[in-house]
Amino acid sequence: AQRVTQPEKLLSVFKGAPVELKCNYSYSGSPELFWYVQYSRQRLQLLLRHISRESIKGFTADLNKGETSFHLKKPFAQEEDSAMYYCARPRNYGGSQGNLIFGKGTKLSVKP
Amino acid sequence: GAGVSQSPSNKVTEKGKDVELRCDPISGHTALYWYRQSLGQGLEFLIYFQGNSAPDKSGLPSDRFSAERTGGSVSTLTIQRTQQEDSAVYLCASNLRGAHEQYFGPGTRLTVT
Repeated sequence: AQRVTQPEKLLSVFKGAPVELKCNYSYSGSPELFWYVQYSRQRLQLLLRHISRESIKGFTADLNKGETSFHLKKPFAQEEDSAMYYCARPRNYGGSQGNLIFGKGTKLSVKP
Repeated sequence: GAGVSQSPSNKVTEKGKDVELRCDPISGHTALYWYRQSLGQGLEFLIYFQGNSAPDKSGLPSDRFSAERTGGSVSTLTIQRTQQEDSAVYLCASNLRGAHEQYFGPGTRLTVT
C-alpha cells in the first residue's frame, strides 16, 4: 500500500532558527508530492508542490528519490509559520487522478 | 469566488443518533472528497466522488458511514448510530478532474456525547 510518513507529530523551534519537517513516501516510481498547511482557524490549503520547484513563504522542498523523502525546509522560521503541515501524494500510481494520500501531519510551533 | 462550504460548522449529538453533514463544492469541480481529521490520526480519507463514476468508498470506517452526491454537486455524509469515536472534524474538498490541488472547506466539528 502506498504510504506517506511524517515521523514528527510536533516540532518546536525558536524564531529565526532553521526548520525541517520530514516526509517520507513509499516507493512507486516518480510520484508527485505536495505540502499542505493549515493555520489556526483557517482552511487546509496547498503550500507547495514539488513539480513546480517553487519557494512559498520561504519554504522549499526537494524530492530525494534515493531516500524517498520530500522534507520541507525553511532557513529562518517565523512565528506566523506556526501551523499544521501535511505531506501528500497521489493515491493512485501514475498520479493521473486528484485523489491524495495525506500523512498524519506535523504541528510546527515557532516560539518568540 | 465562493469556496467550498460546509454545514453545519459545529454539531453536537447524542450517542446513537444519526447525523448528516453537508458539503457544497466549488462550482464546476467534478471531484469531491470527504476526510476525517482527528488528533493523532491526521487526515483520514473517507470517500471520493468523480463525476458520474462510482464513488471510491474504500476509506469509510464502517457501514454506519455513507455519502451521496446529488446532481454532481452537493454531497451529504451520513453517520448512523453515532459513537463517541466518531467525534472529529469532517472536511470536504473539491477539485477539477486530473488536478491535484484540492480546495478544502472549513469543516464540520462533530462532537458525540
